[in-house]
Amino acid sequence: KQEVTQIPAALSVPEGENLVLNCSFTDSAIYNLQWFRQDPGKGLTSLLLIQSSQREQTSGRLNASLDKSSGRSTLYIAASQPGDSATYLCAVSGDNDMRFGAGTRLTVKP
Amino acid sequence: EAQVTQNPRYLITVTGKKLTVTCSQNMNHEYMSWYRQDPGLGLRQIYYSMNVEVTDKGDVPEGYKVSRKEKRNFPLILESPSPNQTSLYFCASSSHYRTEAFFGQGTRLTVV
Repeated sequence: KQEVTQIPAALSVPEGENLVLNCSFTDSAIYNLQWFRQDPGKGLTSLLLIQSSQREQTSGRLNASLDKSSGRSTLYIAASQPGDSATYLCAVSGDNDMRFGAGTRLTVKP
Repeated sequence: EAQVTQNPRYLITVTGKKLTVTCSQNMNHEYMSWYRQDPGLGLRQIYYSMNVEVTDKGDVPEGYKVSRKEKRNFPLILESPSPNQTSLYFCASSSHYRTEAFFGQGTRLTVV
């Protein structure tokens, strides 16, 4: 059974810092990995989707990498802003399902 | 606007009173699924549907039912809710289970 782990569980940084969120998974037989953002009381917003054949995806200040063989993904956020404060979730898609990590709660202080 | 719509957003009910949470998507997606989110446990899949009339259990299906009679709708039914079903529920859809998933805004259910 696929297990997805996100470290750290919480992270607090000053505005302007570059930061890395980590996601690891136990079964490398995945179709894709997706990073989501969740604001308190809100739904999930898709940030980046990396297909299993890809190494990375970029969107604005966000860059996600995928190393399927080692079961790891990172989400890099450049020049963090207070508006980036949210919980970030990674999810891997296997046969018929999507499995989520517990998330990293990010706080960016002004 | 492409979206997944859940209703209601908030619901407080009593043990044993049947309820339905609706989910509708306007993107002609084939794949739809339901999740519950609990503190410390993350999101766990309840049921999923690959297409109309095709549904299957996820990790935590006990106490829930679903149906997929139309492509756009995927309601979640709790026949006899219990307090341990108090949770935040999300519906999601994607064109295929391997493609980008879109989530609804969530339904916060409290069973007393």
